[in-house]
Amino acid sequence: EIVMTQSPATLSVSPGERATLSCRASQSVSSNLAWYQQKPGQAPRLLIYGASTRATGIPARFSGSGSGTEFTLTISSLQSEDFAVYYCQQYNNWPRMYTFGQGTKLEIK
Amino acid sequence: EVQLVESGGVVVQPGGSLRLSCAASGFTFDDYAMHWVRQAPGKGLEWVSLISWDGGSTYYADSVKGRFTISRDNSKNSLYLQMNSLRAEDTALYYCARADAAYCGGDCYDYWGQGTLVTVSS
Repeated sequence: EIVMTQSPATLSVSPGERATLSCRASQSVSSNLAWYQQKPGQAPRLLIYGASTRATGIPARFSGSGSGTEFTLTISSLQSEDFAVYYCQQYNNWPRMYTFGQGTKLEIK
Repeated sequence: EVQLVESGGVVVQPGGSLRLSCAASGFTFDDYAMHWVRQAPGKGLEWVSLISWDGGSTYYADSVKGRFTISRDNSKNSLYLQMNSLRAEDTALYYCARADAAYCGGDCYDYWGQGTLVTVSS
């Protein structure tokens, strides 16, 4: 099983500043990596897929990078609505098994 | 508007069974693979199961293999999860999620329901 490890567990950043979240895979997942945002009481929302492609309607301040085992989600200028929990997910095609990281909570500093 | 509405979550005793449903609307249901993803209270996300657009292929997480069965009825625009031999660790909010081939080749989720809560407790 591919294990996804996110760091840090909690990140405190001030509005308007940049946030950088990391995700590491226990083995290469190529670019088969997605990022989701989840706010309290809500379902997750797809932000990024293919490691770096924004999903429809996602603001340009969200960007993803990386391949293989190391991935980064960057939020360039934090807005109040960006404070949430972020999950990475790998989706290597075979075997059909999908795993999420444990999440990074982005909180207001 | 795409909508996914889960139902069927209740309190059930260990060893019991339960069937979850997900009613889909606002899109052509049989164009899409569908997944179940769960989230234990205060915890992260865990993929549970996948079914292909026609129901011909199904996949499961090791933690539920042999106990859970995913199915769909395209004539009713509905997705199901039959859960048997339930354990305390199956307690979670269960989401159904749509997998659009335009994203990740159908392996990540562009729409989610609001979830249905399953509690396994004596």
